[in-house]
Amino acid sequence: NAGVTQTPKFQVLKTGQSMTLQCAQDMNHNSMYWYRQDPGMGLRLIYYSASEGTTDKGEVPNGYNVSRLNKREFSLRLESAAPSQTSVYFCAVGVSGIYNEQFFGPGTRLTVL
Amino acid sequence: AQSVTQLGSHVSVSEGALVLLRCNYSSSVPPYLFWYVQYPNQGLQLLLKYTSAATLVKGINGFEAEFKKSETSFHLTKPSAHMSDAAEYFCAVISQGGKLIFGQGTELSVKP
Repeated sequence: NAGVTQTPKFQVLKTGQSMTLQCAQDMNHNSMYWYRQDPGMGLRLIYYSASEGTTDKGEVPNGYNVSRLNKREFSLRLESAAPSQTSVYFCAVGVSGIYNEQFFGPGTRLTVL
Repeated sequence: AQSVTQLGSHVSVSEGALVLLRCNYSSSVPPYLFWYVQYPNQGLQLLLKYTSAATLVKGINGFEAEFKKSETSFHLTKPSAHMSDAAEYFCAVISQGGKLIFGQGTELSVKP
């Protein structure tokens, strides 16, 4: 089992360009999440999806859109990248139940010039 | 609202010394608390979790954490540090909405 996979691992964009970060899971859980990690700020939730067909905003959704394509896949799109979106992006899958333990992908390191 | 605060953005210990990483939480309801570890250039990995079954929680790689309600703390310890423990450690709490709220992280360095 691969668990949670993310593509690409690295990406460099110019300001104004668009891109989609892909996340896929083979854990058969309903909840999926997108976080960004910045130095000294921990992880901040961008968007999440409690189940196929539903998405909700997290703490820092501005400048992003998401699609929950099916139970396995949850993508994050930057329509017009800005330097402030330079960050490491993590996808996570939440185990069903009250404790909501989450499993994380390896991350995508994005630089916006 | 739930929150966690990690005291110290960077901790340095010698190999074989005690590791103590501090986390204090704020919660209006009994909290569910987690410690995650992030090795360089990797994603986060669950170390241990507190779910109210026992106040002393044992995790992977010899780590443990003690939940102290009177001190609103959930500090992470390991009796003897290894070089392989060098990583960033995150404390987290489940919010009432069911989402994880992370602390700012503590980077652990281990000196030979």
